[in-house]
Amino acid sequence: DQQVKQNSPSLSVQEGRISILNCDYTNSMFDYFLWYKKYPAEGPTFLISISSIKDKNEDGRFTVFLNKSAKHLSLHIVPSQPGDSAVYFCAATASGTYKYIFGTGTRLKVLA
Amino acid sequence: NAGVTQTPKFQVLKTGQSMTLQCAQDMNHEYMSWYRQDPGMGLRLIHYSVGAGITDQGEVPNGYNVSRSTTEDFPLRLLSAAPSQTSVYFCASRGQKNEKLFFGSGTQLSVL
Repeated sequence: DQQVKQNSPSLSVQEGRISILNCDYTNSMFDYFLWYKKYPAEGPTFLISISSIKDKNEDGRFTVFLNKSAKHLSLHIVPSQPGDSAVYFCAATASGTYKYIFGTGTRLKVLA
Repeated sequence: NAGVTQTPKFQVLKTGQSMTLQCAQDMNHEYMSWYRQDPGMGLRLIHYSVGAGITDQGEVPNGYNVSRSTTEDFPLRLLSAAPSQTSVYFCASRGQKNEKLFFGSGTQLSVL
């Protein structure tokens, strides 16, 4: 049973527009969520995170929203750039468990 | 600062062979972990360690052994490789007070 789900395997967006990547989770014990970006033949790199005590966190062009009642988080990228083309993974963890559960990833393609 | 270093980058094994994937970090992180990435499956946790001498199983531990004799190193051993272990392997670490995981660049393993 997958505890963290990214239901969109791929997404294409025009340069300059908003990219919205979604992630759902089932385990109510998760209290910290992270987004990672991965280019081919490289390791995932940290993008942005959010604690369950917040519902929004911003870092430049990237904003993560958390809806705890719906067990849903989303990553907004505004404006999208061709260099944002990559696979994006969401991950969740519960404090003190040291176990991170990752989604299956969404491949974002930003069209110039 | 090298971060998380994985060796080798590529490896081809025959069924039944053994090998060790190396992982080292120079950030004095207590927590280290191994993930495998397979198409459509995301990143799945194999084993993790919260400090020297302490290891525990993740989601998919079968066929893999780990040990943690030093803070810096966390090798992953395949005692008898199987084709099902063909995958990309990532090592990750984090500090005790920060939930952000840092990943290595990965090892692409093929078992024939």
